[in-house]
Amino acid sequence: GAVVSQHPSRVICKSGTSVKIECRSLDFQATTMFWYRQFPKQSLMLMATSNEGSKATYEQGVEKDKFLINHASLTLSTLTVTSAHPEDSSFYICSASPIGTASTEQYFGPGTRLTVT
Amino acid sequence: GQNIDQPTEMTATEGAIVQINCTYQTSGFNGLFWYQQHAGEAPTFLSYNVLDGLEEKGRFSSFLSRSKGYSYLLLKELQMKDSASYLCAVKDSNYQLIWGAGTKLIIKP
Repeated sequence: GAVVSQHPSRVICKSGTSVKIECRSLDFQATTMFWYRQFPKQSLMLMATSNEGSKATYEQGVEKDKFLINHASLTLSTLTVTSAHPEDSSFYICSASPIGTASTEQYFGPGTRLTVT
Repeated sequence: GQNIDQPTEMTATEGAIVQINCTYQTSGFNGLFWYQQHAGEAPTFLSYNVLDGLEEKGRFSSFLSRSKGYSYLLLKELQMKDSASYLCAVKDSNYQLIWGAGTKLIIKP
């Protein structure tokens, strides 16, 4: 149990276009989902915390107008990278905490590798 | 500031035991996590400690000392597939996860 999926797993886009990444909890409901970014050989960097039905909370230095997060249901959160540039190329990972676990459990999706040309 | 320290890289031999240390200074403490991450993949959950002591789960064990701000992950009977990065993360008083940079573990035959 506790499976999180992400789609797409890999995407290549041209500079200036927008890319949407979906994160789904397949067999549990999650009030909170997290979006991370990881550059090569670096640790995870939390971008934002997404709560179902409310606005996401962004970490310092993360532009909310560039990284749009929508948490439409208890099983789906989306991250849209708007007007992507080559420096946005990275590994984007989402995670979700099942309801009732007080975020003591956090399950990660397989990640989405974004390459902006 | 908040800080998580763990060694950058460690090398061990197949079949042996290795201990990966993690020290932390955070504003509050609500649990410590260990994750395994293979290259190019997302992290997978290994363990969670919130009380002092040792938690054993198969070949992996995790220890916590809150008074010392210290944890370790112990891996026994090492296998080649254990080659990965091991991430230590602490949940602070705001329930935010603070991540260490990870320890790259290299297993040699």
